[in-house]
Amino acid sequence: EDQVTQSPEALRLQEGESSSLNCSYTVSGLRGLFWYRQDPGKGPEFLFTLYSAGEEKEKERLKATLTKKESFLHITAPKPEDSATYLCAVLQGAQKLVFGQGTRLTINP
Amino acid sequence: DAGVTQSPTHLIKTRGQQVTLRCSPKSGHDTVSWYQQALGQGPQFIFQYYEEEERQRGNFPDRFSGHQFPNYSSELNVNALLLGDSALYLCASTLGGPYEKLFFGSGTQLSVL
Repeated sequence: EDQVTQSPEALRLQEGESSSLNCSYTVSGLRGLFWYRQDPGKGPEFLFTLYSAGEEKEKERLKATLTKKESFLHITAPKPEDSATYLCAVLQGAQKLVFGQGTRLTINP
Repeated sequence: DAGVTQSPTHLIKTRGQQVTLRCSPKSGHDTVSWYQQALGQGPQFIFQYYEEEERQRGNFPDRFSGHQFPNYSSELNVNALLLGDSALYLCASTLGGPYEKLFFGSGTQLSVL
């Protein structure tokens, strides 16, 4: 069965301190890997979709990369407003997302 | 352009009761999915509706049922509530063709006492 594991569970950084979040996945034929951001009391907000190993996508201070076994979300010079839970998910079947448990990111000013 | 809207935002029920949650998809979307998110966990897929039919279902008991209306809005019904049903229930919408990104609502926080 498809599995998604995210690490670390929680991460505290100082403002401007760059780091990476990890998403390891086990799927029978990757059809898409998704990154979402979730703020407290809100639904997940779409960030990126990656489809094949070697693919990279960027948005402001975030960059997502993909290998055959894992994806990384790199955060460069983060700001306090980047504090959120970041969720990784893989597409199973035509329309079902299988999510990891998320990484709770806190950026201290 | 209105996004995905869910109602109510919060709900408190007691064990054994039944609950109905509602969702209006983003304008132009015809497919609605429901997810359950327990505290500190990622969302788990419940089921998906397209053209008023349940198209795909996750590992949830028959106590969880749904419906999609001709205007694409949807309801999630949960019968015989258990304490473990306490969670954030998320609705997400997309177009029914080749997979597109999901747009999520802000969810309904259900507490079962």
